[in-house]
Amino acid sequence: QKEVEQDPGPLSVPEGAIVSLNCTYSNSAFQYFMWYRQYSRKGPELLMYTYSSGNKEDGRFTAQVDKSSKYISLFIRDSQPSDSATYLCAMSRPTYSGGGADGLTFGKGTHLIIQP
Amino acid sequence: DAGITQSPRHKVTETGTPVTLRCHQTENHRYMYWYRQDPGHGLRLIHYSYGVKDTDKGEVSDGYSVSRSKTEDFLLTLESATSSQTSVYFCAISVRQGSYEQFFGPGTRLTVL
Repeated sequence: QKEVEQDPGPLSVPEGAIVSLNCTYSNSAFQYFMWYRQYSRKGPELLMYTYSSGNKEDGRFTAQVDKSSKYISLFIRDSQPSDSATYLCAMSRPTYSGGGADGLTFGKGTHLIIQP
Repeated sequence: DAGITQSPRHKVTETGTPVTLRCHQTENHRYMYWYRQDPGHGLRLIHYSYGVKDTDKGEVSDGYSVSRSKTEDFLLTLESATSSQTSVYFCAISVRQGSYEQFFGPGTRLTVL
């Protein structure tokens, strides 16, 4: 079993729809969760960063973490064609090196298509 | 791109030749990372650095070495490139002490023939 599972899609929805993207994970040590957006031939762009369980909202984006189920979600409201991209979930366990993480564990990404 | 540049942006090379990729940051952040991205595998950590001359291995470090002689530069070297190292390579940084969020550069597309 992979540490992080993410449906690769493609997921195709009409403009204006609410999009739900999800990841499951197996390592209960993960406590920091991120969502990245990646356009074709570009680097990943950080969208959301959350710690432990709960919700976080930023504009049209809401990140949700359920640690008891080992399940994270990203919701996109009022989806736009410009939201068409690959969405990557990423997560990290705490480290004790006195600073940043020793690396992120990524899902494989979900390809999202917003139809005009 | 969080002040990160990568060079070269594209490279085609022959099997068995050495290749060095450079990651440069402008703001003296302590933590830097190299990842590779492949279809069907997602992003995987190769090596990371937590300071000048301080580096450690990631998940897929075999065939790669790194060096960091200055805070702003993190070099990834393929000593003898193989076709399995054809990939897109991304550099990333952490910008806040104690934070786990990472910011990525634009990537280097490497083809090994």
